[in-house]
Amino acid sequence: AQKITQTQPGMFVQEKEAVTLDCTYDTSDPSYGLFWYKQPSSGEMIFLIYQGSYDQQNATEGRYSLNFQKARKSANLVISASQLGDSAMYFCAMRAWDSNYQLIWGAGTKLIIKP
Amino acid sequence: SQTIHQWPATLVQPVGSPLSLECTVEGTSNPNLYWYRQAAGRGLQLLFYSVGIGQISSEVPQNLSASRPQDRQFILSSKKLLLSDSGFYLCAWSVPQASTNEKLFFGSGTQLSVL
Repeated sequence: AQKITQTQPGMFVQEKEAVTLDCTYDTSDPSYGLFWYKQPSSGEMIFLIYQGSYDQQNATEGRYSLNFQKARKSANLVISASQLGDSAMYFCAMRAWDSNYQLIWGAGTKLIIKP
Repeated sequence: SQTIHQWPATLVQPVGSPLSLECTVEGTSNPNLYWYRQAAGRGLQLLFYSVGIGQISSEVPQNLSASRPQDRQFILSSKKLLLSDSGFYLCAWSVPQASTNEKLFFGSGTQLSVL
């Protein structure tokens, strides 16, 4: 069965430091996609970054990058030069054929950036 | 560009009262539409999704129902609310791709409190 695990319920990081949010996944499907979403206190879920299982390179979107380690089944989100506005909940999610292409969500990590 | 509207933002309802939450998408045709619920501090639970007008799939048996009377309109309803229906409800849409990279785009959410 597919599963997403985010082991960090909460994190405090000093402003301007880099931060890594952990995500491990489990699927028997060789074809899958991994997503990261940000949920600020306003509640809206904001798409950040996507990584396909067959992508050769790690995905990057501005200050966000995804450290994809396929053998370890991990897809950690790296935020470089953190800003106060990065304080939010962050969710990792996976989509695969064997979940009928529905997104499987992790429980989330609450990130707080300290000034 | 595509936009999604969800209302109301906040709703306080007594137990046993009916519910109607509405979501509309602009700027796209034939989207997949979704209703999610999020308990406080938790991940997302898929309630319903729709691939077309009148086509509703239910993921979790419950006190709620969904309808899609028009291509870009998705409605979440209940005849009689329960205390357990309290939560944050998110509507989302995606461009149908039936593949792993189908991204979801979310509305701003409705905070429902059943008292």
